[in-house]
Amino acid sequence: EVQLVESGGGLVQPGGSLRLSCAASGFTFSSYNMNWVRQAPGKGLEWVSFITSSSGTIFYSDSVKGRFTISRDNAKNSLYLQMNSLRDEDTAVYYCARDSLSPAHAFDIWGQGTMVTVSS
Amino acid sequence: DIQMTQSPSSVSASVGDRVTITCRASQGISSWLAWYQQKPGKAPKFVIYAASSLQSGVPSRFSGSGSGTDFTLTISSLQPEDFATYYCQQANSFPFTFGGGTKVEIK
Repeated sequence: EVQLVESGGGLVQPGGSLRLSCAASGFTFSSYNMNWVRQAPGKGLEWVSFITSSSGTIFYSDSVKGRFTISRDNAKNSLYLQMNSLRDEDTAVYYCARDSLSPAHAFDIWGQGTMVTVSS
Repeated sequence: DIQMTQSPSSVSASVGDRVTITCRASQGISSWLAWYQQKPGKAPKFVIYAASSLQSGVPSRFSGSGSGTDFTLTISSLQPEDFATYYCQQANSFPFTFGGGTKVEIK
C-alpha cells in the first residue's frame, strides 16, 4: 500500500524548534519529488515547501523562508522539515504530500498529518 | 504569486443534486489545476488533475473543466459521501497556491 506517515509534531514555545519526519512506503520514494503542506485550525490549505527527488532543487513559501529547512534521505525513504524560530502563526496540521509524476506538482498521495502547536 | 479564488465558499445541496464549484486564477495557468476533497479530520484526497482528468478510483460523477483562468468542478449527482470541502490548487508555478475552499453541506 502506498503510504506516507508523518511524525514529530507537538507543543513548542514561540521561538523554539521542531523537526517533522515523513516515512514513505509502498512506492519508489527516490523517484518522486515531495512537498510539505499545512493547514491552520479551521483554515484552508497552504503549501510550505518542495524538494526534488535528488534534493537538487528546493523551494519555500515566503512565510517560512529562512526559518524552515526541507530535506530527505532516500536511503531511509524519509522526508524531513526542520522548523526553527517558530511563531504562533505556524500552528497547523502539517502534511507531507507526494508530487505526482505526470502532470507534475499535483499532490497525489497525502499523509495523515501531524499537529504542531506553537504556544507559550 | 498566483491567487486562487473559489466560489461559493459554501453550498447547501441535497442528495442527487448537481453541484458546480468555480475557481479563478489571478493569471493564466493553462490546465495546471488540481482539485482535492477533504472531509473533517482527514487529509485531502486527490480528485482531478490537469483541470479535467479524473484521478484513478474517483467516481465518474465528478468532472472538471476549464483552462487559462477559469475552472469548474462539477458533481453531477451528489451522494452522501460527497459532503466535504473542496479545494482547487494551481500547479503552474511556485509558490503553489490553493483556493480558499468550498464546503458542500447537506440541505
